[in-house]
Amino acid sequence: DQQVKQNSPSLSVQEGRISILNCDYTNSMFDYFLWYKKYPAEGPTFLISISSIKDKNEDGRFTVFLNKSAKHLSLHIVPSQPGDSAVYFCAASGRNTDKLIFGTGTRLQVFP
Amino acid sequence: NAGVTQTPKFRVLKTGQSMTLLCAQDMNHEYMYWYRQDPGMGLRLIHYSVGEGTTAKGEVPDGYNVSRLKKQNFLLGLESAAPSQTSVYFCASSRAASPSGELFFGEGSRLTVL
Repeated sequence: DQQVKQNSPSLSVQEGRISILNCDYTNSMFDYFLWYKKYPAEGPTFLISISSIKDKNEDGRFTVFLNKSAKHLSLHIVPSQPGDSAVYFCAASGRNTDKLIFGTGTRLQVFP
Repeated sequence: NAGVTQTPKFRVLKTGQSMTLLCAQDMNHEYMYWYRQDPGMGLRLIHYSVGEGTTAKGEVPDGYNVSRLKKQNFLLGLESAAPSQTSVYFCASSRAASPSGELFFGEGSRLTVL
């Protein structure tokens, strides 16, 4: 039973355009959400996070939006760059938990 | 800055063989985790530890054992490897528990079980 879902396994975007990666979750106890980025042959690295008390968090070209009623979050990358080509994992955690639950990942390819 | 180091990085095993993956972190982190990454499945938590001498089960613990005898090390053992354990294994550590603890990952260990 996948509690965190990324329904698009891949996404292809032209350089300079916006990339939108989506993530859905089922557990209403989740209250903190993170995005990790992973390049081939490397471990994932933290990108950006958002608490459930907010609906938006921005860090440079990266913005995460949270819609609690829909149990949905999205990562926007503007403008997209070739170096953004990687696998992006959405992750969630909740109160009274030591665990971070990851989604299945979305492979983003940014082409010139 | 070593961060999180995993050894070995690659290993091929025959069904039934045993092995241990070693994870070492030099950041004095309390929390350590073992994940496996499989196509279409994302990262799934195998076992984790909230401090030296403690371990706990994650989402997919069957077939694995772990030990945290020293704060800086977290070992993942396979007593009798099966082809279903072919995967890429990632160790991670964090200063504190989620949500405040950002995870720092190692580079991964690719295990193939024939």
